[in-house]
Amino acid sequence: GDSVTQMEGPVTLSEEAFLTINCTYTATGYPSLFWYVQYPGEGLQLLLKATKADDKGSNKGFEATYRKETTSFHLEKGSVQVSDSAVYFCALSGTSYGKLTFGQGTILTVHP
Amino acid sequence: NAGVTQTPKFRILKIGQSMTLQCTQDMNHNYMYWYRQDPGMGLKLIYYSVGAGITDKGEVPNGYNVSRSTTEDFPLRLELAAPSQTSVYFCASSYSGQIPNYGYTFGSGTRLTVV
Repeated sequence: GDSVTQMEGPVTLSEEAFLTINCTYTATGYPSLFWYVQYPGEGLQLLLKATKADDKGSNKGFEATYRKETTSFHLEKGSVQVSDSAVYFCALSGTSYGKLTFGQGTILTVHP
Repeated sequence: NAGVTQTPKFRILKIGQSMTLQCTQDMNHNYMYWYRQDPGMGLKLIYYSVGAGITDKGEVPNGYNVSRSTTEDFPLRLELAAPSQTSVYFCASSYSGQIPNYGYTFGSGTRLTVV
C-alpha cells in the first residue's frame, strides 16, 4: 500500500536559518503530493501541493519539488521565522475517493 | 462560514463507555473523513463518506462506527472505549474526491483520553 516517511524530528532552528524537512513516499501510479501544517490547537491547513513529476509547489516562502526518480518531496524554506513553529505533515493522495496517506509529522520549533 | 465544526474539543472516557464525536460542515461538501492522530504518528483514516447514506471503512475502522444521514453531519461512534482509542480525532471534508483540485477542510480536532 501507499506510505509516506518523514525525517525524524523534532527540528529546532534559530530565526532566519535554512529549513529542510525530508519526505519520501511509496505509491502505485502517479499520486499527488502535499505538505500540511498544523499550528498549536488547530486543525491541519494545506501549505502547498504538487500534482505531477517535477512540479514545484510553493507558498509563504516554503517550497517543495515532486521528484519521481527519488520518490521525494522535501520541504524547504530559506529563512524561517518564529511564526513558522508548527507540526508539518507530508501526505499523498492516490486516486481512491480523496483519501490521504500521511507521514508521521515533524515538529518545528524556531527560536528568536 | 463556520467550515468544519467538531464537538467536543476534549473528553475523558472510562473504559467500556460509549460516546459520539460530532462533525458538521456547512460548505455542502460531498466527501467527509475521520482521521485519528496518535503521538509521533501520522493521521490514519478511520472511515469516510462520499455522500449522504454512503460510508466505507478506512485503514483503522475497528472499534468505531459512522453514519451519514445528511450532507452536513458525519458523527463517529465509539461503542466500547478502550485505552488504545486515546488519540486526537480530526474530521475533514471536501467538495470532491479530486483532492488536488478541491483540497480538504479540517476541523480543529477532538482530544479523547480513555482511562
